[in-house]
Amino acid sequence: NAGVTQTPKFQVLKTGQSMTLQCAQDMNHEYMSWYRQDPGMGLRLIHYSVGAGITDQGEVPNGYNVSRSTTEDFPLRLLSAAPSQTSVYFCASSYSRLGTDTQYFGPGTRLTVL
Amino acid sequence: KQEVTQIPAALSVPEGENLVLNCSFTDSAIYNLQWFRQDPGKGLTSLLLIQSSQREQTSGRLNASLDKSSGRSTLYIAASQPGDSATYLCALHQGGSEKLVFGKGTKLTVNP
Repeated sequence: NAGVTQTPKFQVLKTGQSMTLQCAQDMNHEYMSWYRQDPGMGLRLIHYSVGAGITDQGEVPNGYNVSRSTTEDFPLRLLSAAPSQTSVYFCASSYSRLGTDTQYFGPGTRLTVL
Repeated sequence: KQEVTQIPAALSVPEGENLVLNCSFTDSAIYNLQWFRQDPGKGLTSLLLIQSSQREQTSGRLNASLDKSSGRSTLYIAASQPGDSATYLCALHQGGSEKLVFGKGTKLTVNP
């Protein structure tokens, strides 16, 4: 198993550009989520999904969009990048809908918005 | 609102020492608590998961305990090694919520 994979690893954007951060898992996990990690703020939940076709907002959803058309993939879209979105983004997954199982994290995408 | 605190923010110890990392939380209505390790520039790796009905979990040199009534968890590392150097984060799965609430972590340095 590859586990949770994320692409790209690094990305630099200009303010106003849009892009999609990719996340995929091959463990047949129902629950997937996106976090951002900022110095002094810890990890904060952006969006999550409890299964294909079902998504919901987390703690800091503004400026981000998600969809879940398959069990394996959970892309995160930045609609119009802003410098405040400079961060490290992590995708995570777990088997259980309620996230009561071990969470598996991807290696992260380091995003800089100029 | 659940708040998770990890103290100290940084810890430096000599190799071979036994050590305890602390995690405290304000709301005891949790499903589980996980301890993660994060190496610089890397993702998070789950170390131990304690369900709310459990008191502790062990894996090798690691032992994690959970006391919901006092809002505390500890991660005990026995016979520390330089390879244990990393940031350790605790995270709670809050009852009635689909998210993990993370502490800000303790950065551990084990000196040879």
